[in-house]
Amino acid sequence: ETGVTQSPTHLIKTRGQQVTLRCSSQSGHNTVSWYQQALGQGPQFIFQYYREEENGRGNFPPRFSGLQFPNYSSELNVNALELDDSALYLCASSISGTTNEKLFFGSGTQLSVL
Amino acid sequence: EDKVVQSPLSLVVHEGDTVTLNCSYEVTNFRSLLWYKQEKKAPTFLFMLTSSGIEKKSGRLSSILDKKELFSILNITATQTGDSAVYLCAATLSSGTYKYIFGTGTRLKVLA
Repeated sequence: ETGVTQSPTHLIKTRGQQVTLRCSSQSGHNTVSWYQQALGQGPQFIFQYYREEENGRGNFPPRFSGLQFPNYSSELNVNALELDDSALYLCASSISGTTNEKLFFGSGTQLSVL
Repeated sequence: EDKVVQSPLSLVVHEGDTVTLNCSYEVTNFRSLLWYKQEKKAPTFLFMLTSSGIEKKSGRLSSILDKKELFSILNITATQTGDSAVYLCAATLSSGTYKYIFGTGTRLKVLA
């Protein structure tokens, strides 16, 4: 158990819909990162939030957006869902600026887009 | 483009066997290399390697980094069925956003 919790665990949506995924970070962690893991692939970096602001972004279109709240929890929003958005979405928390910064992952949200 | 490549993609062994998983990387401004185990959904931390040639051990698992040849290996001795999982390797950079660049993983299945 890493202390990182994600909700919901599973979600089924249809193409064109919008979805919001939620993440509560481990106690004491101030940074949240989101990763997308397609079937049979390694996780791909979506973006990171620190102090409630986006602190870096991977190669994902603007319809992927996020928020971080004062309690360091976070949301990932995806608009205009496409079939290729079907994946496991992993949230990871960490303490920014430490010497050996490790990511602690949640169990993910499995999103299926039909 | 920064990339991490793992081999083999999958592996089937019998209990008691020893396995070696490989990870090579090509990244600018390399900072560290990490190994994670993903059994169901959440990747769990195994090792972080920053220095070349220093082996890290945890029980039957060990790992080492070669920064000259840009690779790392993860060894598992006396494998058990509970070692069945996907093993992910990731590199981090010393500049820009702190993020993991993952390989595709090695799927290990240990048969009883």
